[in-house]
Amino acid sequence: NAGVTQTPKFQVLKTGQSMTLQCAQDMNHEYMSWYRQDPGMGLRLIHYSVGAGITDQGEVPNGYNVSRSTTEDFPLRLLSAAPSQTSVYFCASSYGDRTYEQYFGPGTRLTVT
Amino acid sequence: GQQVMQIPQYQHVQEGEDFTTYCNSSTTLSNIQWYKQRPGGHPVFLIQLVKSGEVKKQKRLTFQFGEAKKNSSLHITATQTTDVGTYFCAGRRGFMTDKLIFGTGTRLQVFP
Repeated sequence: NAGVTQTPKFQVLKTGQSMTLQCAQDMNHEYMSWYRQDPGMGLRLIHYSVGAGITDQGEVPNGYNVSRSTTEDFPLRLLSAAPSQTSVYFCASSYGDRTYEQYFGPGTRLTVT
Repeated sequence: GQQVMQIPQYQHVQEGEDFTTYCNSSTTLSNIQWYKQRPGGHPVFLIQLVKSGEVKKQKRLTFQFGEAKKNSSLHITATQTTDVGTYFCAGRRGFMTDKLIFGTGTRLQVFP
């Protein structure tokens, strides 16, 4: 199993550009989520999904869109990038039950200039 | 804003010294998980606590969940250089939510 994969590993965008961060898992996990990590802020939940076709907002959803058309994939879209979105983005997945551990991908380091 | 706080933010210790990080929530948590993130890496699950007052041990690591289920701690006995990293707690506020909220993290540096 590859586990949780994320692409790209690094990305530089100009303000106003759009892009999609890809996340995929091959563990048949129902629960997937996106976090951003900033110094001193820990990991903040952006969006999450409890299954294909179901998504919900986390703590910091503004500026980001998600969709979950398949169990395996959970892409994160930045519609119009802003410097405040410079961060490291982690995708995570777990079994459907709320008591299971989260498996994290390797992260995407995004810089918006 | 962030409602799961951890203290301290940073801790530097000499190898062999003990280390403790504390996790505090403003609301009751249904369960709490702990993760470790090595420098440049991604968070990796360590353990989960569910019951009020629960204590679990993993070798030199001891985890506690408070009686009111609003706080937790991680204690490392006799730190080693392999313990270097950032430790995060994460919890769900209530039993009906799927949102897992992470704490602010404690970065541990161990000097040989």
